[in-house]
Amino acid sequence: EVQLVESGGGLVQPGGSLRLSCAASGFSFSDYSMNWVRQAPGKGLEWLSYISSNGIINYAHSVKGRFTISRDTAKNSLYLQMNSLRAEDTAVYFCSRDASLAYFEHWGQGALVTVSS
Amino acid sequence: QSVLTQPPSASGTPGQRVTISCSGSSSNIGSNYIYWYRQVPGTAPKLLIYRNSQRPSGVPDRFSGSKSGTSASLAISGLRSEDEADYYCATWDDSLSGRVFGGGTQLTVL
Repeated sequence: EVQLVESGGGLVQPGGSLRLSCAASGFSFSDYSMNWVRQAPGKGLEWLSYISSNGIINYAHSVKGRFTISRDTAKNSLYLQMNSLRAEDTAVYFCSRDASLAYFEHWGQGALVTVSS
Repeated sequence: QSVLTQPPSASGTPGQRVTISCSGSSSNIGSNYIYWYRQVPGTAPKLLIYRNSQRPSGVPDRFSGSKSGTSASLAISGLRSEDEADYYCATWDDSLSGRVFGGGTQLTVL
């Protein structure tokens, strides 16, 4: 069974940094592309970043230059380093695995990040 | 403001057929596959339709997707109370060089 478990969320001050982790299990992590998607309170889904199985990366304009996606195949883990955080970055952050023919086939339960002083 | 436009709400009665639209442009829906997701508030989204009209295993055939030009639609037939959820479309946008979601449609079963 595919499992994705996010961790590392919490309260951070504006301008601060946070690193989210997503522990993957139940599949061959190195074979799949992964994503980060967020959802602000009461709002819709927003795609943030993608990393392919061979390391191709792209970002949404809203986080490019502030957020960095990475993966560690030895640890079966996906990461999102978030710097220069703003109040508008407050959201639940989901990691999601693609399928060979589909975006966002599997999702984690999400991690809440609150940016506030 | 989402690149893909969905109606904020839709509704129907049990047994009815409802359709949710997703409107975009030549740089997104017009040239790329569309995907649909269902999300019960407070839970993670779930893939409903991929590559415009394909259903993952386990998704009932009451759910169907279509695409024409720069618009796409999700149809739900035989509406049930458990279909109450938020529905999102998504695709790739060539101009933005990234993936984009619609703003979401809240479906109410009356």
